[in-house]
Amino acid sequence: AQSVAQPEDQVNVAEGNPLTVKCTYSVSGNPYLFWYVQYPNRGLQFLLKYITGDNLVKGSYGFEAEFNKSQTSFHLKKPSALVSDSALYFCAVRQSMDSSYKLIFGSGTRLLVRP
Amino acid sequence: EADIYQTPRYLVIGTGKKITLECSQTMGHDKMYWYQQDPGMELHLIHYSYGVNSTEKGDLSSESTVSRIRTEHFPLTLESARPSHTSQYLCATTPQGARGYTFGSGTRLTVV
Repeated sequence: AQSVAQPEDQVNVAEGNPLTVKCTYSVSGNPYLFWYVQYPNRGLQFLLKYITGDNLVKGSYGFEAEFNKSQTSFHLKKPSALVSDSALYFCAVRQSMDSSYKLIFGSGTRLLVRP
Repeated sequence: EADIYQTPRYLVIGTGKKITLECSQTMGHDKMYWYQQDPGMELHLIHYSYGVNSTEKGDLSSESTVSRIRTEHFPLTLESARPSHTSQYLCATTPQGARGYTFGSGTRLTVV
């Protein structure tokens, strides 16, 4: 069975500092991995994805994520946090051979960037 | 500009009422999904569809039902709402291939 773990309920960081939001996954076969962001009372917005190729993927708003197959991780990073980055972040995984394209989401991590 | 629309955005309704949450997309995608997001933020897949006349139950058991008569429309119905149905409901769609989902803005349902 597929699963995603986001071990931190909340991450606090000062503006201008680097941030990391952690994600580990479990899936049969090759994974497709995604990060989404959710602002209050909104749906989820796509940030970035890993399908194949370069382990470091770049996405929207200066975010990037590193795929590590041996550690089954896909941590989200940003070199310099902004107050406006404060939101809820979800990691998701999909099995590459699953024709339903179902995404399994982690429990979410609240990012709080203080001025 | 949103390509997937959910209505209503907010709904407060009494116990026992029948409700339908609407979801429409203009992208012509076959695959559509309904997720329930509980107050603890977790997202649970409750229904999905491969295309017209194809619907499947998701990983979380739900008393709701769905239909897919047209490609662009994927409504969710609760025959008799209960306070335990209070949640945010998110609709999503994705094209063929290794793309991510596009989500609607959600419907926040409160059953009193």
